[in-house]
Amino acid sequence: DQQVKQNSPSLSVQEGRISILNCDYTNSMFDYFLWYKKYPAEGPTFLISISSIKDKNEDGRFTVFLNKSAKHLSLHIVPSQPGDSAVYFCAASGSNYKLTFGKGTLLTVNP
Amino acid sequence: KAGVTQTPRYLIKTRGQQVTLSCSPISGHRSVSWYQQTPGQGLQFLFEYFSETQRNKGNFPGRFSGRQFSNSRSEMNVSTLELGDSALYLCASSLAGGRTYNEQFFGPGTRLTVL
Repeated sequence: DQQVKQNSPSLSVQEGRISILNCDYTNSMFDYFLWYKKYPAEGPTFLISISSIKDKNEDGRFTVFLNKSAKHLSLHIVPSQPGDSAVYFCAASGSNYKLTFGKGTLLTVNP
Repeated sequence: KAGVTQTPRYLIKTRGQQVTLSCSPISGHRSVSWYQQTPGQGLQFLFEYFSETQRNKGNFPGRFSGRQFSNSRSEMNVSTLELGDSALYLCASSLAGGRTYNEQFFGPGTRLTVL
């Protein structure tokens, strides 16, 4: 049973536009959510996180939104840059701190 | 500050053999987690060690085991290798406190191929 789902395997956007990556979860015990970015031949890199007591967290060009009632979170990248092209993983954890990852979304930003 | 290092980077084994992978965390990090990444399943949690003790475990068979040493370095062992064990094995380290534990720093991974 996949508890964290990223339903879009890939996304393509133009440089300068907004990228929106989506993530859904099923486990209501999850209370901490993270996004990681992964380039080929490298390990994932932590990008941004959000606690369930918040509905928005912003860090520069990256903003994560959390909708607890819908069990949905999204990552917005504005403006998108070619260097943002990577696989983005959504992850979630509960009280046991164990991370559950989605399968990832490949973002391609075209110049 | 040096990042997380994993050795070896690439490994080819045959079915039935066993393998040991090594991970050195960032200096000062006491938590080490291991993940398996495959194209079909994404990133799956194997286990997490903190202060030489396994603190969390994923849903993998007992053929997968690990340990952590007093200097926080960790090893992962897979016995009786199967073709399906072919994957990228990632190690991640973090400080142990609170939710920042999840803000893990990953190594580049070990690519294991089982023939």
